[in-house]
Amino acid sequence: AQRVTQPEKLLSVFKGAPVELKCNYSYSGSPELFWYVQYSRQRLQLLLRHISRESIKGFTADLNKGETSFHLKKPFAQEEDSAMYYCALGTSYGKLTFGQGTILTVHP
Amino acid sequence: ETGVTQSPTHLIKTRGQQVTLRCSSQSGHNTVSWYQQALGQGPQFIFQYYREEENGRGNFPPRFSGLQFPNYSSELNVNALELDDSALYLCASSLETGTGEQYFGPGTRLTVT
Repeated sequence: AQRVTQPEKLLSVFKGAPVELKCNYSYSGSPELFWYVQYSRQRLQLLLRHISRESIKGFTADLNKGETSFHLKKPFAQEEDSAMYYCALGTSYGKLTFGQGTILTVHP
Repeated sequence: ETGVTQSPTHLIKTRGQQVTLRCSSQSGHNTVSWYQQALGQGPQFIFQYYREEENGRGNFPPRFSGLQFPNYSSELNVNALELDDSALYLCASSLETGTGEQYFGPGTRLTVT
């Protein structure tokens, strides 16, 4: 069975501080991992996917198959990064299994 | 390019009733997935439609059913509503099946009393 765990419901940092949102997954197949973000009063949107290996809005995430993790990192948080972040695991036909989400608050 | 739209925005139903939610996929997308998001939880996969056929289903009972039309818009139908069906229902479209890169609509908030 697939499972995604985001251990932190809430995460608070100050502007300019590094931030790391944790994500662990359980899946017997070859995983496809994503981070989705929901800003206040906006719809859920894709932030990044592991196969593209891009840096989006300064965020990066590395898939660690040994630790079954896909943590999201940013070296210097900005106030506009405050949002709900969901880690998601994709199957072969595109079903997404989401974690419970982490609310990130960046204080000025 | 038109994004994913959903209707209605909100609705209130009574236990035992039936409800139909609608979704228009993003232009050019032929795959639609539906998710249920309970308060404080992440979205949970209900099912996916690809070229008018159900292409995968999550752990939801048969009273949750769907349709996809030739223009790739979709409906989610829920029969015999239960109080636990109260949730935000999200529709997401994608260019093809097999991708987790999905574009979400704003959702329909269903309240069952």
